[in-house]
Amino acid sequence: DAGVIQSPRHEVTEMGQEVTLRCKPISGHNSLFWYRQTMMRGLELLIYFNNNVPIDDSGMPEDRFSAKMPNASFSTLKIQPSEPRDSAVYFCASHGPLTGDEQFFGPGTRLTVL
Amino acid sequence: KQEVTQIPAALSVPEGENLVLNCSFTDSAIYNLQWFRQDPGKGLTSLLLIQSSQREQTSGRLNASLDKSSGRSTLYIAASQPGDSATYLCAVMGSNYQLIWGAGTKLIIKP
Repeated sequence: DAGVIQSPRHEVTEMGQEVTLRCKPISGHNSLFWYRQTMMRGLELLIYFNNNVPIDDSGMPEDRFSAKMPNASFSTLKIQPSEPRDSAVYFCASHGPLTGDEQFFGPGTRLTVL
Repeated sequence: KQEVTQIPAALSVPEGENLVLNCSFTDSAIYNLQWFRQDPGKGLTSLLLIQSSQREQTSGRLNASLDKSSGRSTLYIAASQPGDSATYLCAVMGSNYQLIWGAGTKLIIKP
């Protein structure tokens, strides 16, 4: 298996633009997590899905952030409009019934909002 | 609210030394505790996972212990190598499957 796949790996955009981050979890995994990592706040959970259903989105910072999981193999995290303070590395992780409690992380998307 | 603290924030040691990284958490009602490694510009790699009922886990030169009652975990690295240089993150999982993260310890092993 290729592991968790995220795209793009790097994104540079201007303030006010819409940004869409993509994640493909490991096949067979039924939970998906979106995290954000910044120097100031470290790693924070934004939202997680179980069987494509959002379970807890209390970590989503503002209404500008939205996430979807239309099927078991794809999820998006959208920021509209983006702001410079959204600059961070965004990680996606997945977990499945056969992995115990271990979460497998993607390589992350480094977002820079100018 | 669960808080996770890692000490020290950074550590630099000569190659070959044994070393200990510390992690503490404020709420002992955890489901498990996990140690991760993060290389610069890369994702996170799970190193060890200790269930709340366990006291320690070992993988190669790594040994992680858990004392839930005191809210502490240690990651012991034996015979350190330059390839061990990375940031080590501790995370605790509550019953809601959410991971609460420490800020990490940046480890540098000098050849």
